[in-house]
Amino acid sequence: AAGVIQSPRHLIKEKRETATLKCYPIPRHDTVYWYQQGPGQDPQFLISFYEKMQSDKGSIPDRFSAQQFSDYHSELNMSSLELGDSALYFCASSPGGTGGENEQYFGPGTRLTVT
Amino acid sequence: SQQGEEDPQALSIQEGENATMNCSYKTSINNLQWYRQNSGRGLVHLILIRSNEREKHSGRLRVTLDTSKKSSSLLITASRAADTASYFCATLLASGFQKLVFGTGTRLLVSP
Repeated sequence: AAGVIQSPRHLIKEKRETATLKCYPIPRHDTVYWYQQGPGQDPQFLISFYEKMQSDKGSIPDRFSAQQFSDYHSELNMSSLELGDSALYFCASSPGGTGGENEQYFGPGTRLTVT
Repeated sequence: SQQGEEDPQALSIQEGENATMNCSYKTSINNLQWYRQNSGRGLVHLILIRSNEREKHSGRLRVTLDTSKKSSSLLITASRAADTASYFCATLLASGFQKLVFGTGTRLLVSP
């Protein structure tokens, strides 16, 4: 069965550079979520989209922005990167929209290293 | 502060033993989910228990939920070395927001 696809899997950037992470949800899933997991930390919710509209927002820095496109894939744009942005970034998708009974299926993550 | 707190933070057992991990949370939930994560890798969904359910089984996994105590437990029976991983509980709040709020995780080490 198709899973959530994230690209790239690994990314190395320098401070103050920008990065774009991509997420391709499971087919027919209309909701996408982004999470950030720092070293030794639990995943923290950043932002979610339902039917291409932002549906919820967590602890996402103003330097970060995201959107969901007409084909339901999503991109997380990160600017003015800081060392503290080094983390594993997960995308998850679900078919359910609001209400959230549905399980969220996680992608393998993008490991971002900022040097 | 964290919605979910897990204990123990780390657990070391021998193959064949049972492993029990606990999760406590603070606000009303829609459901609670358990995930597994091998070191630095993706999150694998294990089991979901709804707020109106008290117990759920899936293979060697048993999850309980006590909404009066705002707590859940994950029991892995007859553990195997391959069960070595971090285990997170995650809650979906009852307020209608979609985000999962993760607990701090339990690192399980199963020795052969």
